[in-house]
Amino acid sequence: GQNIDQPTEMTATEGAIVQINCTYQTSGFNGLFWYQQHAGEAPTFLSYNVLDGLEEKGRFSSFLSRSKGYSYLLLKELQMKDSASYLCAVSRDKLIFGTGTRLQVFP
Amino acid sequence: DAMVIQNPRYQVTQFGKPVTLSCSQTLNHNVMYWYQQKSSQAPKLLFHYYDKDFNNEADTPDNFQSRRPNTSFCFLDIRSPGLGDAAMYLCATSKTSGRPGADTQYFGPGTRLTVL
Repeated sequence: GQNIDQPTEMTATEGAIVQINCTYQTSGFNGLFWYQQHAGEAPTFLSYNVLDGLEEKGRFSSFLSRSKGYSYLLLKELQMKDSASYLCAVSRDKLIFGTGTRLQVFP
Repeated sequence: DAMVIQNPRYQVTQFGKPVTLSCSQTLNHNVMYWYQQKSSQAPKLLFHYYDKDFNNEADTPDNFQSRRPNTSFCFLDIRSPGLGDAAMYLCATSKTSGRPGADTQYFGPGTRLTVL
């Protein structure tokens, strides 16, 4: 079977740094995606990790440890527009999504 | 801009009345997907087309069907919508890189289906 766990909700302040964790147990693994989804909108691609380590892309970074079944998304210099759900998705023969972490950024 | 388009954005239907949702793409991607996403839940894959080959998920109800008449278009048919089928339906596309599961999926804006 498969299990992907993310915190349900997180809050943070504008300008701060927040780390959203994702742990997974899946039968098969090719890589891990992070998507951002604003309320009522489609998911948009943020990052893809296939090897262990940190991938940095502007204010967003994503980390993967395959041996630990663990990933995190790091958001720096938070802005109000970063308020959204962040979906962790394990890539096998298809994408298996977690239920997402709803991030609220306050002024 | 290349994109994934879904029409309509909002669809209201009656219990048991067939409904069709459409998706088109200008990305020229060979794989197209349909997902169902209920409120505060993860997107759930219903089926996907790899070129013309249809791949149904084992737990997708028979009530859901799909057609892909050409590379650009894909349709989701719900033959007899029930109240439990009210959800956001997301279409996505990807281009095969030869590495299964490694292809980034690009999503359309979704169609929110209401069943009365």
